[in-house]
Amino acid sequence: ETGVTQTPRHLVMGMTNKKSLKCEQHLGHNAMYWYKQSAKKPLELMFVYSLEERVENNSVPSRFSPECPNSSHLFLHLHTLQPEDSALYLCASSQDTTGGYTFGSGTRLTVV
Amino acid sequence: QQQVKQSPQSLIVQKGGISIINCAYENTAFDYFPWYQQFPGKGPALLIAIRPDVSEKKEGRFTISFNKSAKQFSLHIMDSQPGDSATYFCAASTGQGGSEKLVFGKGTKLTVNP
Repeated sequence: ETGVTQTPRHLVMGMTNKKSLKCEQHLGHNAMYWYKQSAKKPLELMFVYSLEERVENNSVPSRFSPECPNSSHLFLHLHTLQPEDSALYLCASSQDTTGGYTFGSGTRLTVV
Repeated sequence: QQQVKQSPQSLIVQKGGISIINCAYENTAFDYFPWYQQFPGKGPALLIAIRPDVSEKKEGRFTISFNKSAKQFSLHIMDSQPGDSATYFCAASTGQGGSEKLVFGKGTKLTVNP
């Protein structure tokens, strides 16, 4: 497998459910990111991990909880979400010296 | 300061025509300006990027023009093809510590008619 892989591709969850999104990168990058992409909105940066440490949390509600167990894996744990959280969640990785991000295909999340 | 303003929101071009998408920024510390292409159901993919030490970069049919004094940069797609139909995002970043955080424009949906 190459690039950035996200699972699942689609997820429907109720507001009381707990689920997790997974991201795996096979590029040897040292930084990973979670972005939220909604209709008619720019890509919103949620979390940044560099060398497995969280370096940025862009005022994201606590119902979103990231986890980065190693430089190749990134998770986004979800609980008690709201319908407005329905969006495409994108994972990306980069090597800090280049600035070029490689994105995964995203998880399409629907909260019902 | 951190915004990147992108226009137009949508663009329709005939096959063989030139597509032009513009972006403007305020933060003079930005030093990396990539363009991303996103097809439906896929994540954005890096298309072409430029640093402020050059005014133009060309890769095949895609060209970035960069105007440092005006704080503007644009993407030109020559001989546009239906397969170029996608959403295009400009972005800008500054290198900070161990990560570079991109700020994205709102995107331009390009439709190339056959």
